[in-house]
Amino acid sequence: DIVMTQTPLSLSVTPGQPASISCRSSQSLLYRDGKTYLSWYLQKPGQSPQVLIYEVSNRFSGVPDRFSGSGSGTDFTLKISRVEAEDVGIYYCMHSLQVPSTFGPGTKVEIK
Amino acid sequence: QLLESGGGLVQPGGSLRLSCVASGFSFSNYPMTWVRLAPGKGLEWVSAISVSHVPDFAESVKGRFTISRDNSEKTLYLQMNSLRADDTAVYYCARIKQAIGWYFDVWGRGSQVTVSS
Repeated sequence: DIVMTQTPLSLSVTPGQPASISCRSSQSLLYRDGKTYLSWYLQKPGQSPQVLIYEVSNRFSGVPDRFSGSGSGTDFTLKISRVEAEDVGIYYCMHSLQVPSTFGPGTKVEIK
Repeated sequence: QLLESGGGLVQPGGSLRLSCVASGFSFSNYPMTWVRLAPGKGLEWVSAISVSHVPDFAESVKGRFTISRDNSEKTLYLQMNSLRADDTAVYYCARIKQAIGWYFDVWGRGSQVTVSS
């Protein structure tokens, strides 16, 4: 199985400041169709997870443009350009290159 | 748009069947999946089923869990047998947006499953 790791595991951010989360996979997530299957999810306190980014850098419908994804191969980054109070929660990366899909351990983001 | 039910407290070795009713989209056109969140842990993919009813399972539940769907009832099921304490979790059903390189774009609220004597 592909192992997903994330750093840091927790992050405390001042509102209005940027934040960055790294995700690394144990093997390349580049598929034979040329696409890379890495997505990002946010689980806010008391809520179900929600997708933010798919295929590394595609922002899902309705997701604010302060969220952006980048990376290739085995190294990926989720960036929040200016953190807002509503962005608190646990962020997960997930690969879908093959079965089983696996999630990273999660990064807990809190507001200072 | 997705509503789970069927969770509860069950003894080790017991069984439960979770249901997930879909509304607001063409259920039969989408693969579907179950993801769980155990206490103190992160999200774990559990199982998925394609539009043609082909199932996949995580190794941790293979041989104990069965996934199925009833397109006429717009319902996804997860039959869980031989339950263990480490199956304790909130179970979410989710819609898979695309068959290749899937991502999960619609999630239910979750159903709590507790395995304890």
